[in-house]
Amino acid sequence: GAVVSQHPSRVICKSGTSVKIECRSLDFQATTMFWYRQFPKKSLMLMATSNEGSKATYEQGVEKDKFLINHASLTLSTLTVTSAHPEDSSFYICSAHTSWGARETEAFFGQGTRLTVV
Amino acid sequence: LAKTTQPISMDSYEGQEVNITCSHNNIATNDYITWYQQFPSQGPRFIIQGYKTKVTNEVASLFIPADRKSSTLSLPRVSLSDTAVYYCLVGPFYGGATNKLIFGTGTLLAVQP
Repeated sequence: GAVVSQHPSRVICKSGTSVKIECRSLDFQATTMFWYRQFPKKSLMLMATSNEGSKATYEQGVEKDKFLINHASLTLSTLTVTSAHPEDSSFYICSAHTSWGARETEAFFGQGTRLTVV
Repeated sequence: LAKTTQPISMDSYEGQEVNITCSHNNIATNDYITWYQQFPSQGPRFIIQGYKTKVTNEVASLFIPADRKSSTLSLPRVSLSDTAVYYCLVGPFYGGATNKLIFGTGTLLAVQP
């Protein structure tokens, strides 16, 4: 089945630095990818929709200048957390959907990235 | 997107059948119902999807009544490894590659030995 790979799986960074997270669709093309954030014991919160070749669409309350999204190819979207602070520490997850016309639409999720800002 | 309501948590024992019900009173005509499973520190994993009546695959069954205002995920003979959070999502089917998914609270299923 379709696979979405996310890298790195965990990262620790110092306050004020930037961190880049990659999301790749390994065996299908994804013109649209999604980025979520999940705090401990909470549900996934959609942050933004990443669109290949165009600007990302951010959900209300998500700072676009803080969470930079680039979707330069049909298989890669990146999320950069700029000037990270401890409150940005969270589990970040990406997803991409397959759509086979008349068949079911299925969302595939990356393994997630545990970001810890110290 | 239709809002969903699920129990926050459920407990079960190994070998039992577990049924998790999700309410989605505002489901639209073109909405499908999809269930995902999430283990700690992992991304969600697709379990099953349906539109109406009953759907069954190798891991679960999905029961949807005629009015589609609720759905029940049935896990036969659960094991300890089924301990996870289960999310019910409702959204449109066609053009799904660009349709965003909004997650509700999910149900934490704890399976005891």
